Amino acid sequence: DIQMTQSPSSLSASVGDRVTITCRASQSISSYLNWYQQKPGKAPKLLIYAASSLQSGVPSRFSGSGSGTDFTLTISSLQPEDFATYYCQQSYSTLGVTFGQGTRLEIK
Amino acid sequence: EVQLVQSGAEVKKPGESLKISCKGSGYSFTSYWIGWVRQMPGKGLEWMGIIYPGDSDTRYSPSFQGQVTISADKSISTAYLQWSSLKASDTAMYYCARQPGGDYWGQGTLVTVSS
Repeated sequence: DIQMTQSPSSLSASVGDRVTITCRASQSISSYLNWYQQKPGKAPKLLIYAASSLQSGVPSRFSGSGSGTDFTLTISSLQPEDFATYYCQQSYSTLGVTFGQGTRLEIK
Repeated sequence: EVQLVQSGAEVKKPGESLKISCKGSGYSFTSYWIGWVRQMPGKGLEWMGIIYPGDSDTRYSPSFQGQVTISADKSISTAYLQWSSLKASDTAMYYCARQPGGDYWGQGTLVTVSS
């Protein structure tokens, strides 16, 4: 299995801050990397697919970059509704999908 | 509108069997894979396995192989996740998600296993 390592595991930030979350794959996954946001009691929501493509309806303050083994999710200016847990997911092989362990984004 | 609607919460005893469902609508159910994801209380997302309803091709994560069975009935656009003998450690929220892409998810089914 391809292992996905996210960092940090938790993060405190303020409204208006710029935040970056990283995800590293144990082997190259090209651009087969998705980012999800999950709020308590809700299903995950797709934010970014194919490493850098913004899912329809997602605010443009969210962006993704990277390829190969190193990826980042950036929120350019945190809004109150962005405090949640974020997961990366590799889909290099649909049959062997794995998630990162998650990054909990909390209000400072 | 694409929707994945999961069956309701379940409370079961250890050793009992269970089958939960995920019904797709608003798209060609046989043209996309359906994946299942476990989330234990307070924990992260774990990939369990995936099925292609078009031909029932099924693959399991090594961690879940032999522990659960994934199936689908394309005639009613429904995928299933089942256990033959539940354990307390199966207590979790279970999600289905359309693949590839994970663009649509079910609302989740909470399974509680307790004596």
